[in-house]
Amino acid sequence: DIQMTQSPSSLSASIGDRVTITCRASQSISTFLAWYQQKPGKTPRLLIYASSSLQSGVPSRFSGSGSGTDFTLTISSLQPEDFATYYCQQSYSTLYTFGQGTKLDIK
Amino acid sequence: EGQLVESGGGLVKPGGSLRLSCVVSGFPLSNGWMSWVRQAPGRGLEWLGRIKSKSDGGTTDYAAPVKGRFSFLRDDSKNTLYLQMNSLKNEDTAVYYCAEEWVAAKAYEIWGRGTMVIVSS
Repeated sequence: DIQMTQSPSSLSASIGDRVTITCRASQSISTFLAWYQQKPGKTPRLLIYASSSLQSGVPSRFSGSGSGTDFTLTISSLQPEDFATYYCQQSYSTLYTFGQGTKLDIK
Repeated sequence: EGQLVESGGGLVKPGGSLRLSCVVSGFPLSNGWMSWVRQAPGRGLEWLGRIKSKSDGGTTDYAAPVKGRFSFLRDDSKNTLYLQMNSLKNEDTAVYYCAEEWVAAKAYEIWGRGTMVIVSS
């Protein structure tokens, strides 16, 4: 199975900060990577697919990049509603896998 | 817009069985590749597997932790997806989500709200 490792596991930031979350795959996955946001008690929300494609309705302050084994999710200017846990998910192999999550909270 | 509603969760003893349902509305289940994802309390998301549409063979793929114990079934006439869970273990305790795979993007846009399964003696 392809292992996905996110860093950091948790992150404290302030409103207006630029934040970057990293996801590393245990083998090359081309650009078969998605990012999700999940708030406590809520369903995951798709933010980014195919490494850098912004899902419809997602604010443009979210962006994704990367290919091969290294990927990043960037939030250009944090807003109050962005404090949540973020997950990456690879879809290169038949069996998909998620990263362990990055919890983003208010500093 | 599509909606998924899971049900059937509850308390079950180790070694027991449970069947979860996921009712689909807003789109025909027959076209969908459907997956199950779970989340143990305070933990991350874990992909369990998928069942493809019948037109794409209706085949299933299972993650290692559940292969041989869990089965994915679909009744397109009832717009309902099922997760049959056998030989349950304490570590299967989680919220179970069904999700529709957006095949072109290989990602999940539509999720249910989940149903809680607790495995405990």
